[in-house]
Amino acid sequence: NAGVTQTPKFQVLKTGQSMTLQCAQDMNHNSMYWYRQDPGMGLRLIYYSASEGTTDKGEVPNGYNVSRLNKREFSLRLESAAPSQTSVYFCASSEAAGTSKTDTQYFGPGTRLTVL
Amino acid sequence: QKEVEQNSGPLSVPEGAIASLNCTYSDRVSQSFFWYRQYSGKSPELIMSIYSNGDKEDGRFTAQLNKASQYVSLLIRDSQPSDSATYLCAVRTGYSTLTFGKGTMLLVSP
Repeated sequence: NAGVTQTPKFQVLKTGQSMTLQCAQDMNHNSMYWYRQDPGMGLRLIYYSASEGTTDKGEVPNGYNVSRLNKREFSLRLESAAPSQTSVYFCASSEAAGTSKTDTQYFGPGTRLTVL
Repeated sequence: QKEVEQNSGPLSVPEGAIASLNCTYSDRVSQSFFWYRQYSGKSPELIMSIYSNGDKEDGRFTAQLNKASQYVSLLIRDSQPSDSATYLCAVRTGYSTLTFGKGTMLLVSP
């Protein structure tokens, strides 16, 4: 039981390049999330998927797209990377059964992305 | 905009002391509150969750919630150097989404 996994762990891009960050969970969770973490800014939600087949914008969606490929996998795509997207990206998942207030998010190990 | 505020620290305490970490939130209807620990270069790890006013204890950790004051805290008793990390307060502010504070760095000196 690996929990939440992310690939790659590290990536360096040049401005304008594209890439996809991959996330998978093996906990049979319904909801998945993408965050970015910058020094002094805390964790900010980029996009989330409350259930398979749905995606919604979070606090900072500009410059990103997402795909909920199936219940297990949720990918984040940068179409044209910019230096402002240099950050650590975390994927998380939660069971999200209805509106349960006990629903808890579990995080993957993160991807450290540098855009030059 | 729903906000979660934490003192960035660092909060420095000697080994064996009680560390007190505080968090305030702006959304009065919030029902779920979480404390995550994040070691440098690692991902956030859930420590405690609390949903009702009062105290909730788990080992050396106690979470305290006061909804009237919109205040949640985390006490760490008998602090150890291994507790040195950044502690993130998170508040449920949507159907399944959380809003995180910027975190408080805790340093426990031997």
